[in-house]
Amino acid sequence: EVQVVESGGGLIQPGGSLRLSCAASEFIVSTKYMNWVRQAPGKGLEWVSVIYTGGTTYYADSVKGRFSISRDNSKNTVYLQMNSLRAEDTAIYYCASASDYYSYAMGVWGQGTTVTVSS
Amino acid sequence: QSVLTQPPSASGTPGQTVTISCSGSSSNIGGTYVHWYQHLPGRAPKLLIYGTNQRPSGVPDRFSGSKSGTSASLAISGLQSEDEADYYCSTWDDGLIGQVLFGGGTKLTVL
Repeated sequence: EVQVVESGGGLIQPGGSLRLSCAASEFIVSTKYMNWVRQAPGKGLEWVSVIYTGGTTYYADSVKGRFSISRDNSKNTVYLQMNSLRAEDTAIYYCASASDYYSYAMGVWGQGTTVTVSS
Repeated sequence: QSVLTQPPSASGTPGQTVTISCSGSSSNIGGTYVHWYQHLPGRAPKLLIYGTNQRPSGVPDRFSGSKSGTSASLAISGLQSEDEADYYCSTWDDGLIGQVLFGGGTKLTVL
C-alpha cells in the first residue's frame, strides 16, 4: 500500500530542536514532491515546506531560517529539522506526497506526528 | 489570516447540495489551479479535487469543483452524514514562489 508514516514528534522546550521523519512505502520519495503540513490546536491546515524531485526546497515564511527539509534516498525518507522551536510551532505535523495526477496537489498523507513546544 | 478566504462554517441536511466558497485574487486562484481537501478529525487529510475540477480515483462524483475569476467552489450534492468534516481549498500565489496556500477551512455540519 502506498503510504507515508511520520515519526519523531514529542514534547520539547522553547528554543529546542527536533527532527521529524517521514518514511514512504511503495513509492520512491525522490520521484515525488514531498511536503510537510501542520495543524495547530484549533486551527486550520498550514503548509510548512516542500522538497522537489530535483532537490529544490521552499518554506513558509513562519519557519524560514529555522526549519530545514531534506531527504535520504537510501532510506526512502524525508526529514524536517526544526530548530529554535517556539510555542506557536505546537501542532500535528503531516507529511504529504504529491498526487499521481498533479504534482502540486497532495495525494498521500500520513496520520501525523504531534509536536508540543512548552516549558 | 489566510490569503484564501473560506466561510468558517456551512451546513445542510442529508440529500441537499452544499457549496463551499474560496475567495482569492488574481495572483493565486485567478491564475492557477485550485485543489480541495477533506479532513475528518483524527484522520489524515484527503485530496478531493485537484486541478480545480478533477476528481482522483475513488472520490464520489457527488463532489465537484469549479472556478470563476478569483473564486473557487466545492459543491457536495446528495449530502451524507459521513461528509461532515473540515474542507480546505489550496493553491499557490505568484508572489510567494514555491509556497503553498491553504484557505482557513470550512467546517461542514450535516444536520
